[in-house]
Amino acid sequence: GAGVSQTPSNKVTEKGKYVELRCDPISGHTALYWYRQSLGQGPEFLIYFQGTGAADDSGLPNDRFFAVRPEGSVSTLKIQRTERGDSAVYLCASSSAGGGYNEQFFGPGTRLTVL
Amino acid sequence: QQQVKQSPQSLIVQKGGIPIINCAYENTAFDYFPWYQQFPGKGPALLIAIRPDVSEKKEGRFTISFNKSAKQFSLHIMDSQPGDSATYFCAASALLSGSARQLTFGSGTQLTVLP
Repeated sequence: GAGVSQTPSNKVTEKGKYVELRCDPISGHTALYWYRQSLGQGPEFLIYFQGTGAADDSGLPNDRFFAVRPEGSVSTLKIQRTERGDSAVYLCASSSAGGGYNEQFFGPGTRLTVL
Repeated sequence: QQQVKQSPQSLIVQKGGIPIINCAYENTAFDYFPWYQQFPGKGPALLIAIRPDVSEKKEGRFTISFNKSAKQFSLHIMDSQPGDSATYFCAASALLSGSARQLTFGSGTQLTVLP
């Protein structure tokens, strides 16, 4: 079956602009995660959804970042007033449940470049 | 705050060699320790994982050694092949409030296996 997909694969924007990044999880996966990976670093947790609700958003760096998952499947990460420091690869992962040791399957990521 | 420290940053071995990557953690609430493999342009993929109630786990050519008292764990790759050339991340996970579980990643090790 299809894995986690993310669109766009690359996004170039200008400082101050608004961007939306989309994640399509594996069908049937109830848990969805967003991570941010800066160059040469490991992914850093941003937010976790169990179903439609954000169960943990402690990793969001500030209030310019927001994510939704209105129907419990597709999720959108939204970044307002982008800054050059937001440039990174944004990874989405999904798993069959949130609380157990279930494997998180990662998508290929969206590379965001803020000029 | 870096909760999972990984070393070395890069590693070069000859084909057939046994690269070893080391990680150390601080948070004693961590109870699940996966290793991820990442190729350029791809998302991380789970390689092997261990829980702290065992000291070693083998899957094919990959072995995790775990030292709970020292809060350290390592990945060994037996009979390494050029196709193993990738970036490897250790990670640690703790069950948070409710059903939330997030991964904390190390900074990664870029492995090159020479033919």
